[in-house]
Formats: sequence, C-alpha cells, structure tokens
Amino acid sequence: DIVMTQTPLSSPVTLGQPASISCRSSQSLVHSDGNTYLSWLQQRPGQPPRLLIYKISNRFSGVPDRFSGSGAGTDFTLKISRVEAEDVGVYYCMQATQFPLTFGGGTKVEIK
Amino acid sequence: QLQLQESGPGLVKPSETLSLTCTVSGGSISSSSYYWGWIRQPPGKGLEWIGSIYYSGSTYYNPSLKSRVTISVDTSKNQFSLKLSSVTAADTAVYYCATGATDYWGQGTLVTVSS
Repeated sequence: DIVMTQTPLSSPVTLGQPASISCRSSQSLVHSDGNTYLSWLQQRPGQPPRLLIYKISNRFSGVPDRFSGSGAGTDFTLKISRVEAEDVGVYYCMQATQFPLTFGGGTKVEIK
Repeated sequence: QLQLQESGPGLVKPSETLSLTCTVSGGSISSSSYYWGWIRQPPGKGLEWIGSIYYSGSTYYNPSLKSRVTISVDTSKNQFSLKLSSVTAADTAVYYCATGATDYWGQGTLVTVSS
C-alpha cells in the first residue's frame, strides 16, 4: 500500500495569513497513463469531506482560487493564500494512482 | 450536479452484517463518467477507503477488509450498496458513499456496532 504522510498535524493560522500543508507518498504517484492522481480534501467540522484539488493542482468546481496545489512524484503541497474563517477544518491528501486508495492522516487548520 | 445519500441501519450487532445503500440522483449510476465507492471514518479519526465499483461491475476492495466486503450496483434503482460481514466494535464509523474520484460525497451515516 502507498503510505501518505502529512505535515504538520496542526496549523494555527492568523486570519488573512497564508497556510501550507505538505504531503509525502511512500512511492511515486505517477500513473502509467502519465497522470498523477493526488487530491486534497477539506473536512469542515461536522461535515463530509469535500474535494478541493485533483491531479495535483486542478481546483474542483466552486473552490476559491486562494487554494492551490503543487508538487510532483512523491512530494506535494496545498497552499491557502489568505486563510478565512470558513477554512477551519481538517485537510487530507489522497492518492488514487494505485489501489487501495489511501489518505494522509490529516492536518487540522485552526485560527490563532 | 450529482447527489448521493446513504441509508441503512444505524445499529448493528457484533458478528452480524452491516448493509448500507447509496442512492444517486442527478446522474446515471451506469454512466462511464463515474465509478463509485465507500469510505469510512471512525469517530475522531481519519478516512479509510473501503472499496470501489466501476460501471462495468469490476470491484476493488481494501485488502484489510476484502474478506468481509461486497459492493454491488442496482442500476434499476440507481443505487449501489455495501455489505460488511462479521462486524466488530472496530467497524463503528461514519460511512460515506462517494464517486470513486471523491468529487461528490454523501452526508455520511453513523453505524454503531454494539449488542
């Protein structure tokens, strides 16, 4: 199984300031079709997860442009350019390059 | 826009079979544009993929659960289902149905395993 490791576990951020979350996979996420199936999900308190970013850097429909994804191979980053109150929650990276699909352990974003 | 909704018992006894259904609206479950999956989240913990099913009927399961899991599709009802046998307290979780690419999710349903 591909192990997904996220850092930090928790990220206290001041409103309006940037936040960054890292995700590392135990092996390359480049699929044989040339795509890299690395996604980022947001889970607000009491809500189901919501897709933010797919294939490293593509924002899903309706996702604000303050969210951006980058990376390649085994190292990936989610950035929030200016954190807003509604961004509080837990963020997960997920790989769908290989079954079983696996998730990172989650990073909690909270307001200082 | 696709909408997914889980349904099923919220309480299951140990050693019995957990059965959940996901009803899809806003699109056809037979569409080749999607595949379908189940993901669970124990209280206060992270996400665990259970398995997925393609429109062709092909299934893929988490090896840690494979011997106990069955995912199937009922195209006549636009639904797909999860069966997890021989449950224990460790299977207590919120169970989510989602598109396989996780672009659309249900609200989730809490299933508690207890006698």
